[in-house]
Amino acid sequence: EAQVTQNPRYLITVTGKKLTVTCSQNMNHEYMSWYRQDPGLGLRQIYYSMNVEVTDKGDVPEGYKVSRKEKRNFPLILESPSPNQTSLYFCASSRTPGSGNTEAFFGQGTRLTVV
Amino acid sequence: LAKTTQPISMDSYEGQEVNITCSHNNIATNDYITWYQQFPSQGPRFIIQGYKTKVTNEVASLFIPADRKSSTLSLPRVSLSDTAVYYCLVVVRNDMRFGAGTRLTVKP
Repeated sequence: EAQVTQNPRYLITVTGKKLTVTCSQNMNHEYMSWYRQDPGLGLRQIYYSMNVEVTDKGDVPEGYKVSRKEKRNFPLILESPSPNQTSLYFCASSRTPGSGNTEAFFGQGTRLTVV
Repeated sequence: LAKTTQPISMDSYEGQEVNITCSHNNIATNDYITWYQQFPSQGPRFIIQGYKTKVTNEVASLFIPADRKSSTLSLPRVSLSDTAVYYCLVVVRNDMRFGAGTRLTVKP
């Protein structure tokens, strides 16, 4: 079954404690991206990756890091989380955007609370 | 970067056809138009994608006029379970950015 798997689904942490949200896809997609969703602000892109070892900033990259060492994995790293990073996070993967059928698949979401 | 504009919200009743129009005046030659549906606390789900004219699948139709500066998502005979936010995206090579979407509410 084609899927994007995020972990954890829920996380409560304290300010400054480093955390990683994992994302894995089983569709051999080149493109992966991270979004955060806050009430009234829609989905905002944090980082994206066109392929292994190729990452770039989205609209709201401050306070986040990513890596793409393998095609299937795209972890989101918060080195020093702050309360304003409390949000619902989604990971997505697709074939390279603009290359034809580029249906994006999304993970189940990670609800992060930073206190 | 093509920007999309769509209505913030729409109301409908069960059994009606719903048309949501998105404008994308700056769409480029190679851009595709894609629509997603999102329920609360879930990730967006792909509905349909097209480049020009009309595309139809089992859940929706997508109408794109010749100038491609707008597109219309058509949902036939909506039900209460179609209440969701619908996003229109213009997909370029490295861009999967979502706008605010249209919140559709289907009433009994």
